[in-house]
Amino acid sequence: KAGVTQTPRYLIKTRGQQVTLSCSPISGHRSVSWYQQTPGQGLQFLFEYFSETQRNKGNFPGRFSGRQFSNSRSEMNVSTLELGDSALYLCASTLVGPETQYFGPGTRLLVL
Amino acid sequence: DQQVKQNSPSLSVQEGRISILNCDYTNSMFDYFLWYKKYPAEGPTFLISISSIKDKNEDGRFTVFLNKSAKHLSLHIVPSQPGDSAVYFCAASNTGNQFYFGTGTSLTVIP
Repeated sequence: KAGVTQTPRYLIKTRGQQVTLSCSPISGHRSVSWYQQTPGQGLQFLFEYFSETQRNKGNFPGRFSGRQFSNSRSEMNVSTLELGDSALYLCASTLVGPETQYFGPGTRLLVL
Repeated sequence: DQQVKQNSPSLSVQEGRISILNCDYTNSMFDYFLWYKKYPAEGPTFLISISSIKDKNEDGRFTVFLNKSAKHLSLHIVPSQPGDSAVYFCAASNTGNQFYFGTGTSLTVIP
């Protein structure tokens, strides 16, 4: 069974640009969550989508947005990039319950 | 505001000995706790969990202890093996859908 896939794996952008990251969950998983990982803050929850609806949202500015499509694939968008947005962005899909939350390998974003 | 804290960024242990990783939380409403393991260039993988109605959960070499009064949980790995070398994250939830993660502890098991 294929795992969670994230594209692209690496990305370099400059300040002020915008970026879109993609996540394909495990087949049958309808919940997709996004996290930002930085050395000082660990994993921080961005938002969770379930059946195309945002179900939970973390404490991030409105520059961070997401959406989920009918096939459960999800995208995350960051507008007006800042240097501090440089991080590893992880996507996780969940079947039922936290023990069935599986993470993708992440997209490493570098903002110059 | 970090609601889940792992105050030890790193830990080194001899192979065969016990590894103890600690985690503290501030929100008394958290009722479910998990530990994840992360290797470089991979996403975290679920390791073990515990609900607030228990104080201990064991799975092979891994045991998680929960002290609700102290808002503290710990992961014990016995015996430690070189393959256990990874970054360990603890996470907590009060809804089952939104998880708060600690900053991680990098464990090195020395052969």
